[in-house]
Amino acid sequence: GESVGLHLPTLSVQEGDNSIINCAYSNSASDYFIWYKQESGKGPQFIIDIRSNMDKRQGQRVTVLLNKTVKHLSLQIAATQPGDSAVYFCAETPSRTALIFGKGTTLSVSS
Amino acid sequence: AAGVIQSPRHLIKEKRETATLKCYPIPRHDTVYWYQQGPGQDPQFLISFYEKMQSDKGSIPDRFSAQQFSDYHSELNMSSLELGDSALYFCASSLGGRLYEQYFGPGTRLTVT
Repeated sequence: GESVGLHLPTLSVQEGDNSIINCAYSNSASDYFIWYKQESGKGPQFIIDIRSNMDKRQGQRVTVLLNKTVKHLSLQIAATQPGDSAVYFCAETPSRTALIFGKGTTLSVSS
Repeated sequence: AAGVIQSPRHLIKEKRETATLKCYPIPRHDTVYWYQQGPGQDPQFLISFYEKMQSDKGSIPDRFSAQQFSDYHSELNMSSLELGDSALYFCASSLGGRLYEQYFGPGTRLTVT
């Protein structure tokens, strides 16, 4: 499953599918781009980050892709599990002292 | 591992009252960030401190103030509370001002009635 276009508020997938969550950022000066996962009633939890001089970074079951030409960031989750259900936020660092969050995408995983 | 501690976890206040939220960063972390998250919204940066000095300011109302103390804990003071101040308030901490390595606390849910 994939959130089509720049941003969709919800993405529903089946357990075991791959998920792609998209994000558009606004500031070309950002050094880092970060993905956070937020479960209901909890604070954002770091998933993975990517530096602006990279275009791809892989973690455990997650991959982040950065396309600076169109200011687009995506998070790919492989073999999505019910425990991945949460709101996902991208964030950018246009200054060295403040993190700016994008609009979240709610991922729902059904088994 | 120790995490960011916020207190109280829940707070109910009436309009025009004041509130103080506290944040205790991860041990040895010297940088604290405050965020406000309205219902269904993304977190909005309010203010940050590095080594007890304010390092950046975001969309923080003039009715709000904050400081970081010598033990690196921080307090967010909110006065003349309005209904629109009802939100989750998160504190995050990092080491050496590393913006991309912030660890978030569980948040304080403020309800203004």
